[in-house]
Amino acid sequence: DTGVSQDPRHKITKRGQNVTFRCDPISEHNRLYWYRQTLGQGPEFLTYFQNEAQLEKSRLLSDRFSAERPKGSFSTLEIQRTEQGDSAMYLCASSLRTDRTDTQYFGPGTRLTVL
Amino acid sequence: AQKVTQAQTEISVVEKEDVTLDCVYETRDTTYYLFWYKQPPSGELVFLIRRNSFDEQNEISGRYSWNFQKSTSSFNFTITASQVVDSAVYFCALSEAQSGGTKKLTFGTGTRLTIIP
Repeated sequence: DTGVSQDPRHKITKRGQNVTFRCDPISEHNRLYWYRQTLGQGPEFLTYFQNEAQLEKSRLLSDRFSAERPKGSFSTLEIQRTEQGDSAMYLCASSLRTDRTDTQYFGPGTRLTVL
Repeated sequence: AQKVTQAQTEISVVEKEDVTLDCVYETRDTTYYLFWYKQPPSGELVFLIRRNSFDEQNEISGRYSWNFQKSTSSFNFTITASQVVDSAVYFCALSEAQSGGTKKLTFGTGTRLTIIP
């Protein structure tokens, strides 16, 4: 089984620029989650998709953040007008709907540094 | 609101010693799931175990064991005969179990475990 993949693994950008991250879930996993992890903290939930529908967004997800999952497969997370406070690791996870425990399997993450 | 507390920020033990990582949780849900994940230096979160709130049977997997006590809202993780490869940050997490709901994970702040050779 191929695991969750994320691209890029690292991104350095200047404040004010837009960035986009991609997540490819485990095939046949129809649930996809985005989390953000800052240094020394546990991951925090950002948003959740079931197939192509975005069903929940955290209050952490400001208007500058947008996520899509157009065909229910891969997902993108875009941050517009980046700020230094956006520097973090962005983690993607996927799970299978028929798994009632909804165990989430994580990708390697995209580390964002905003200068 | 759900909350997970991992009071131990960092632990260091000498190789082959046993070590226990503590996890205390808070939830108003009567049914929920508990998880442990390992985050090695590479950064990827690795799933270790999940537990249902209605199943308090403890579990052992090789050198790993988990002690779930609903009465004290704790889900502790013990590594027996620790090895250098066990060095990582370990996270405890909690999710609701109601069907149809988002099963987002609420994580603790993690415990950094260092095994000294």
